[in-house]
Formats: sequence, structure tokens, C-alpha cells
Amino acid sequence: QLQLQESGPGLVKPSETLSLSCTVSGGSISSSNYCWGWIRQPPGKGLEWLATICNSGGTYYNPSLKSRVTISVDTSKSQFSLKLSSVIAADTAVYYCARSRYDSGNYGYYGLDVWGQGTTVTVSS
Amino acid sequence: DIQMTQSPSSLSASLGDRVTITCRASQSISNYLNWYQQKPGKAPNLLIYAASSLQTGVPSRFSGSGSGTDFTLTISGLQPEDFATYYCQQSSSTPLTFGGGTKVEIK
Repeated sequence: QLQLQESGPGLVKPSETLSLSCTVSGGSISSSNYCWGWIRQPPGKGLEWLATICNSGGTYYNPSLKSRVTISVDTSKSQFSLKLSSVIAADTAVYYCARSRYDSGNYGYYGLDVWGQGTTVTVSS
Repeated sequence: DIQMTQSPSSLSASLGDRVTITCRASQSISNYLNWYQQKPGKAPNLLIYAASSLQTGVPSRFSGSGSGTDFTLTISGLQPEDFATYYCQQSSSTPLTFGGGTKVEIK
């Protein structure tokens, strides 16, 4: 079955750019009716959606992160990626990648149905 | 942004109990509401989508209801593996937002 696996640095310095990748296996990243997203969870806190990119062409971002976030897909590597610039301590979290289905203009109606195991990122000098 | 408010934030229950968790949206979201279960150190797992549709593979003791602004997740007959934190999430508009979570603990 479809599996997602996050990868990236465990430690990032303040003001630097965090780069994370999610590798898709057991299925095609290019299926036309699917979307790929990132969600994070600070230690001991709840879930925050960051961004989603859909194979239909749409890209969606959380406005709270302003222009710091970029999401992209590399179909040749069966990966999608997240870049978060100018990181601060509050960006310390477990970062998850997840899949959702695109239908009739909505990218979340059927929920985030496949998740990676998560990768811990700490922002510290 | 649409704010999602869950209640209670935690509860204690016994095996076999019927448990109900409430989620309220700050504006109408029709049935664009999903529920997740998260165990410590694990990724969330989708239980219910579109307010009341059971995700494939999820036990039938889980059920969801509601529309508009008020939603509930019910666990009928609490099992040992159900002790976890539960989150609601709206998908009506960007940004997707989650409730603060409800931790279900053993009484």
C-alpha cells in the first residue's frame, strides 16, 4: 500500500531555511486526483496545516506562515518537498507529510488519509 | 480562518463506555469535517471523513455526525486501543484547521 517517508535535518539554526522531503512509495505520486501536504506538531501541542500541492495544479498555503513556505513536487524522484525560510524556535516541531484527495475544487473533503511517520526538527543555535 | 473548538479537552472513561467528543466550527462548514486519532509518538490516523463517513479499515464502533457548525465523534464501547487523542479538522476553506484535541484516558 502507499507509504510516505519524511527526510531532512534534525537540527536547523535560527534564520536558516529548513528543507524537508517526503518520498512516496507503493503508488504513483502523479495520480491526477491526489494532493500532497505538510502538517506540523510542536512538542506537546496540536496540529497545524502548512501547505498542500495538488496534481491538478493547485498550491495552497497557510497564510499564518506568510511567504516563508514553499511546497513543490519532483515526480522523477517520487518526492514532494517543503521549504521554510527564516526559521525561529517556534518552528521546532514534528513535521508530517500526508496525502489527500482532490475532488470538485476541494483538496481536503476526504481527509488526510495517508501519513508519514513524522520527522523531528529542532531550531536552535 | 475557521476556528475549531473541541470539548472536552480531556476525559476519563472505562472500558466499554460510550464516549462522545464535540467539535464546533466558528462558521458553517457544511459536512467538511474530518476526525483523527493520534497515539503518542505516532502520526494521526483518519477515522471519519465528510462528518459521518467511516474510513476504510476503521472499526464500526466509531461514528460521526453533524453538519453546519456542530459535530460529534462517538465511540460505542471503548476498547483498550482507543485511549488516545482525537482531533477534528475542517476542510471547507484554506487554511485547513484542527481542533485543539481531546485526550481520552483510562478511568
